[in-house]
Amino acid sequence: NAGVTQTPKFQVLKTGQSMTLQCAQDMNHEYMSWYRQDPGMGLRLIHYSVGAGITDQGEVPNGYNVSRSTTEDFPLRLLSAAPSQTSVYFCASSYFGGGETQYFGPGTRLLVL
Amino acid sequence: AQSVAQPEDQVNVAEGNPLTVKCTYSVSGNPYLFWYVQYPNRGLQFLLKYITGDNLVKGSYGFEAEFNKSQTSFHLKKPSALVSDSALYFCAVRDGGSQGNLIFGKGTKLSVKP
Repeated sequence: NAGVTQTPKFQVLKTGQSMTLQCAQDMNHEYMSWYRQDPGMGLRLIHYSVGAGITDQGEVPNGYNVSRSTTEDFPLRLLSAAPSQTSVYFCASSYFGGGETQYFGPGTRLLVL
Repeated sequence: AQSVAQPEDQVNVAEGNPLTVKCTYSVSGNPYLFWYVQYPNRGLQFLLKYITGDNLVKGSYGFEAEFNKSQTSFHLKKPSALVSDSALYFCAVRDGGSQGNLIFGKGTKLSVKP
């Protein structure tokens, strides 16, 4: 049971480039989400999904796209990278429900030059 | 709107002393409250949660948290701190108006000195 996995661990992009951050979980969780972590700001929700084919925006969705074609995978796409998207990105998953514990991946550190 | 506040950016404690990391919240309805810990260059690890029931919640690594409804607080505590407890601690509340999203505080850096 690998839990939540994320790739890559670290990535450097130039402004305007696009890329996809991968997230996968093997716990059959319905709920998956993407957060970004910036110093002094905690974690902020980018997008989330409550099941395959269902996604919605979080607090800071601009510049990011998501899709959920399977229960296991929830990729995050940066359409045209900007320096403001330099951050650490975390994927999380849980069973669906208000009291369920979210499990986090190890994170992807992104630097946009 | 739901929110959570961690009033201290950093807490310094001597090893062996008790520690408290503070968290206050604002929610409509019954709160679902969580504590997570983040070690350097790692993801977040779940420590404990309060959903309902006993106001004192026990979690991993000897941590506990006390839910206080009148003070809208959910402080994290440990009777005797270890150097290995040094990390970044996040309090979070479930957004009751959403599908279950978490709203995080800004985090408190705990430093335990020998």
